[in-house]
Amino acid sequence: ETGVTQSPTHLIKTRGQQVTLRCSSQSGHNTVSWYQQALGQGPQFIFQYYREEENGRGNFPPRFSGLQFPNYSSELNVNALELDDSALYLCASSPPGTSGETQYFGPGTRLLVL
Amino acid sequence: GENVEQHPSTLSVQEGDSAVIKCTYSDSASNYFPWYKQELGKRPQLIIDIRSNVGEKKDQRIAVTLNKTAKHFSLHITETQPEDSAVYFCAAKDYGQNFVFGPGTRLSVLP
Repeated sequence: ETGVTQSPTHLIKTRGQQVTLRCSSQSGHNTVSWYQQALGQGPQFIFQYYREEENGRGNFPPRFSGLQFPNYSSELNVNALELDDSALYLCASSPPGTSGETQYFGPGTRLLVL
Repeated sequence: GENVEQHPSTLSVQEGDSAVIKCTYSDSASNYFPWYKQELGKRPQLIIDIRSNVGEKKDQRIAVTLNKTAKHFSLHITETQPEDSAVYFCAAKDYGQNFVFGPGTRLSVLP
């Protein structure tokens, strides 16, 4: 059974640019959630996708957007990057029947905005 | 919106002793409370969770208790081992699928 994978592992961008991060959910999992984790802090919930639709959203501006594909993989897009967007971005997948609650995290993508 | 506080921020215990980490939440509508362990440079790992219709749950050396009236929940680790050293996060989820994490507790188990 393959766990949650994310790509790329590291990324450097400059302020104002756009970035796309990718997540492949664990086999059989149909819900994907995205988090931002700043250094030394807890993860902050960005949004959750279920059946290709946004199923919940945290306190993040519209320049954070996402997609879920029919194979349940997902993308996080961030436009107009700001310095404060530098963080570890984690995705987590959830198996059916758990209402998106039981979450298994990927290794994360570390984004640095210069 | 939901706010989760977590105490203590750091905790050192001797190997074999027990460790207790406490969290409080603000939204009485929150109904799911997971705990995650994150070792340095690694992904968060779900270690135990509890739902609002249950007061206590145990899994080997780990237990979680929930007091809905007081809006707090606690993680208990017994017979601690050096490999329990990590940062532990509590979280609360409301009906809107919004997961709010606490700031974390750095646990050090001293041999």
